[in-house]
Amino acid sequence: AQRVTQPEKLLSVFKGAPVELKCNYSYSGSPELFWYVQYSRQRLQLLLRHISRESIKGFTADLNKGETSFHLKKPFAQEEDSAMYYCARLSGGYNKLIFGAGTRLAVHP
Amino acid sequence: DVKVTQSSRYLVKRTGEKVFLECVQDMDHENMFWYRQDPGLGLRLIYFSYDVKMKEKGDIPEGYSVSREKKERFSLILESASTNQTSMYLCASSLRHPYEQYFGPGTRLTVT
Repeated sequence: AQRVTQPEKLLSVFKGAPVELKCNYSYSGSPELFWYVQYSRQRLQLLLRHISRESIKGFTADLNKGETSFHLKKPFAQEEDSAMYYCARLSGGYNKLIFGAGTRLAVHP
Repeated sequence: DVKVTQSSRYLVKRTGEKVFLECVQDMDHENMFWYRQDPGLGLRLIYFSYDVKMKEKGDIPEGYSVSREKKERFSLILESASTNQTSMYLCASSLRHPYEQYFGPGTRLTVT
C-alpha cells in the first residue's frame, strides 16, 4: 500500500532556528508529492508541490528518491509558521491524495 | 477565489441518527472529496467523486455513503451514526488533476 509517513507529531523550535519537517513515502516509481498547511482556525491549504520546485513563505522541499523523502525545510522559523503540516502524495490512480498523519510545528518567541 | 462551504461548523447527534453533511463548491470543479481528520491519524479519505452521480470509495468508507446529484454539491451521509464517527469532517474539491485540493472549513461532528 502506498504510504506517507511523518515521524514527528510535534516539532518545537525557537524563532530564528532552522526547521525540518520530515516526510517519507513508500517507493512507487515517480511520486508526485505535496505539503499542505493548516494554520489555527483556518482551512487546510496547499503550501507547495515538488513538481514546481518553488519556495513558498521561505519553505522549500526537495524530493530525494534515494531516501524516498520529501522533507520540508526553512532556514529561519517565524512565529507565524506555527501550524499543522501535512505531507501528501498522489495515489497510483492519480485520482486522490494520500496524507500523512501530520506534524504540528510550534515556533516559540 | 475558490469557495468550498460546508453546511455546519458544529453538529451534535445521537447514536443511531441519520446524519447529512453538505458541501458546496462554486468553481465548477470536477472532483470532490470527503475526509475525516483525527489527531495522530491525519486525513483519511472516506469517499470521492470525479463526476456527477459518480462515486468511489476511499480508504474508510464503512458506515458512510455519499450523493452527488449536482456538480457543485457533494453530500456525506452517516446512515446510523455511532460514537466512533465523532470527528472533524473536511470536504475538498479540485479540477481534473487533483494535485491542488481546496478545502472547506470543516464540520466538527459529535455523536453522543
